[in-house]
Amino acid sequence: EPEVTQTPSHQVTQMGQEVILRCVPISNHLYFYWYRQILGQKVEFLVSFYNNEISEKSEIFDDQFSVERPDGSNFTLKIRSTKLEDSAMYFCASSATGDTQYFGPGTRLTVL
Amino acid sequence: GDSVTQMEGPVTLSEEAFLTINCTYTATGYPSLFWYVQYPGEGLQLLLKATKADDKGSNKGFEATYRKETTSFHLEKGSVQVSDSAVYFCALRNPYGQNFVFGPGTRLSVLP
Repeated sequence: EPEVTQTPSHQVTQMGQEVILRCVPISNHLYFYWYRQILGQKVEFLVSFYNNEISEKSEIFDDQFSVERPDGSNFTLKIRSTKLEDSAMYFCASSATGDTQYFGPGTRLTVL
Repeated sequence: GDSVTQMEGPVTLSEEAFLTINCTYTATGYPSLFWYVQYPGEGLQLLLKATKADDKGSNKGFEATYRKETTSFHLEKGSVQVSDSAVYFCALRNPYGQNFVFGPGTRLSVLP
């Protein structure tokens, strides 16, 4: 069964450093998403991406964040200058139709 | 804005007990409703969904019925197993947007 994959599973970085989180969505899906879950808290929407552009973003997704689909298979989330409060689990999701979303296993980001 | 409310956890049950996890929502229009499950150390897995009023989603013995009149989507299972121990998230997707809105999650522990 096709699934969304994410790398790395755990990323540790120093405050102020740039990180890139990588996702490989399900191959025939057209809609892509990033969410985050701070430890013990709810899952929060960051951004959705369709037709090579951002279609929706939340207040969390400020200028420090960017997304890119650099080729036909990868979907990346970049955090330009990490802060302590960016420590969280980041989930990528994809969807064929924009309705049901399928989530990856997540990348745990720890900012020291 | 749209929101999802779930019963506070944790919920602790004995094996073979009946499970109900309450979920209510506030949304404009007619959202699609979902239950996702997160097993320890893993990502979010779609458990079931319903896209219109009175629809019943079901999977792996779990059921939930979309009740428009009470704006609810309660999750039920007749006989839980130890392997059902996980965090359960109720979520909605508004047809006017692309992102999911998640509830806070309910942790279920099933004891042998």
